[in-house]
Amino acid sequence: QVQLQESGPGLAKPLETLSLTCTVSGGSINNYYWSWIRQPPGKGLEWIAYIYYSGSTSYNPSLKSRVTISVDTSKNQFSLKLNSVTAADTAVYYCARVERYNWKPRAMDVWGQGTTVTVS
Amino acid sequence: QSVLTQPPSVSGAPGQRVTISCTGSSSNLGAGYDVHWYQQLPGTAPKLLIYANTNRPSGVPDRFSGSKSGTSASLAITGLQAEDEADYYCQSYDSSLSGSGVFGGGTKLTVL
Repeated sequence: QVQLQESGPGLAKPLETLSLTCTVSGGSINNYYWSWIRQPPGKGLEWIAYIYYSGSTSYNPSLKSRVTISVDTSKNQFSLKLNSVTAADTAVYYCARVERYNWKPRAMDVWGQGTTVTVS
Repeated sequence: QSVLTQPPSVSGAPGQRVTISCTGSSSNLGAGYDVHWYQQLPGTAPKLLIYANTNRPSGVPDRFSGSKSGTSASLAITGLQAEDEADYYCQSYDSSLSGSGVFGGGTKLTVL
């Protein structure tokens, strides 16, 4: 049973860089896409980015200038860096596994429990 | 404003059938990208409910079903139960956004 666990600081100061890591357990990071999604308080889900285990990436255009997603297959982890954070980046951040179908990303079938990040 | 459009809320009595719509465009659902549906119970992470338009993951009751036609998709829930009260999100990908993922704004289902 694959499980995902987000980790990182729960508090960030404005203009700092937020760094989060998602650790994959119970399965390999290989042969899947991996994604970050966030949810501001009381609002809906916002897709941030995904990365294939081999390193190819896709970003939300509205966040692309501030976001970097990376993968470390040796540690079975993938990470998110978000630069120059503001209060608008306050959210619950989720990591998720993305199915691969015909070599393309499909649904997010396994989710982490989420980690709350406050920018203040 | 979300790329995929959902009604903010729907409601129904126990035992009834409700549907939640998800409207996209020619660059996402209309371009052939599949739609996926997620259920988010209060205070929990989203859970995959329907994938690739019509498919249920193992363990999802057959009371939940999905459909897609052109630029629109729907999630139907029959035999409504109190435990179905949750937020529901549709999700796909968009070619005009370089293939990035997109979500609907979410629909709050209230069981009366």
